[in-house]
Amino acid sequence: QKEVEQNSGPLSVPEGAIASLNCTYSDRVSQSFFWYRQYSGKSPELIMSIYSNGDKEDGRFTAQLNKASQYVSLLIRDSQPSDSATYLCAASGNTPLVFGKGTRLSVIA
Amino acid sequence: KAGVTQTPRYLIKTRGQQVTLSCSPISGHRSVSWYQQTPGQGLQFLFEYFSETQRNKGNFPGRFSGRQFSNSRSEMNVSTLELGDSALYLCASSSDSAGNTIYFGEGSWLTVV
Repeated sequence: QKEVEQNSGPLSVPEGAIASLNCTYSDRVSQSFFWYRQYSGKSPELIMSIYSNGDKEDGRFTAQLNKASQYVSLLIRDSQPSDSATYLCAASGNTPLVFGKGTRLSVIA
Repeated sequence: KAGVTQTPRYLIKTRGQQVTLSCSPISGHRSVSWYQQTPGQGLQFLFEYFSETQRNKGNFPGRFSGRQFSNSRSEMNVSTLELGDSALYLCASSSDSAGNTIYFGEGSWLTVV
């Protein structure tokens, strides 16, 4: 059973701080990793993808991948109240995306 | 470029009825996948279609079915609705043949009473 695990949270951070969201996956053949943001009552929105070990930066977001540890993380710098949402981690090998249940992030103004 | 379009957005059905949900992918995308999202189970994969062929299927009962048309539009059907089928049904489309990078529509909120 391919699984993606995330801490459900809520993770509360003050405005301007760095939010760190973590994810582990069970399927070693996973090659593609994604972070989606989902606001309450809305559908998931793709924010980052990462395929190689190391860091990938896009604006205030940095995705980190460590395939040896089967670990993916998302850092959000200078967190804003508008970042408050549920963040879904997803992994894919040769099969459709498997999603974690998400981490709820709350940025406190 | 228009995004993934799903209809209807909201619907209420009675136990035992059947429902059909529709999805139009992003123009040029040939892969369409369907997910069910519930608070307890999260996002669960239903099935994926590519060029009118079902390429993958999740672990759902046969009451859940789908199809894809030649214009890449897709429908999913749920027969003999149960209360537990109440969920957000999300369609996603992808441009790559592996169907990895997917973009979701706004979803169809189904309530079964």
